[in-house]
Amino acid sequence: DAGVTQSPTHLIKTRGQQVTLRCSPKSGHDTVSWYQQALGQGPQFIFQYYEEEERQRGNFPDRFSGHQFPNYSSELNVNALLLGDSALYLCASSSTSGGQGTGETQYFGPGTRLLVL
Amino acid sequence: AQKITQTQPGMFVQEKEAVTLDCTYDTSDPSYGLFWYKQPSSGEMIFLIYQGSYDQQNATEGRYSLNFQKARKSANLVISASQLGDSAMYFCAMRAFQGGSEKLVFGKGTKLTVNP
Repeated sequence: DAGVTQSPTHLIKTRGQQVTLRCSPKSGHDTVSWYQQALGQGPQFIFQYYEEEERQRGNFPDRFSGHQFPNYSSELNVNALLLGDSALYLCASSSTSGGQGTGETQYFGPGTRLLVL
Repeated sequence: AQKITQTQPGMFVQEKEAVTLDCTYDTSDPSYGLFWYKQPSSGEMIFLIYQGSYDQQNATEGRYSLNFQKARKSANLVISASQLGDSAMYFCAMRAFQGGSEKLVFGKGTKLTVNP
């Protein structure tokens, strides 16, 4: 059973550039959430996608955008990169059919480490 | 707004001993869920254990158990018989519902070091 996969694993960009991160959810999952984890901090929620639409958004600027494809995979795009965007970006998948309890547990991928110079 | 507080930046434990990692939470929602994740240096967040707010019994998963005290709003993780491979960051998280969807709110984490 394939878990959540993310690509690339590492990325180096310069200020002002744009970046696209990719995520494939765990088999059977239809919901993808993205989190940003700065060094020494807990993950912060960016947004969640379900049925190819953004369902909820955290406190992140419009430079952060996303997309979900019919196969449930997802992309995170960040425009006009800032030094402060350097972080570990985590993708998590879950199933809306799980109901209350562990059926809605979010399972995480290995993350993409983004460094902005 | 939901909030998770982990007051232990770092914890040390001897191999084969038990250790408790503290987590307190704040929410006004009557229904909520609490999670613990382990994050090794590789970065991946590994799901360990879940406790629902209406669950009558404390959750257990192998060597992991969750000491859930609802009145005190605490959800401490207990790891029994610590192993060297347990050395990692541990995050407590709460499921927060908004607009028909949910997100996880995380604490700042506790770094656990298991000594041989």
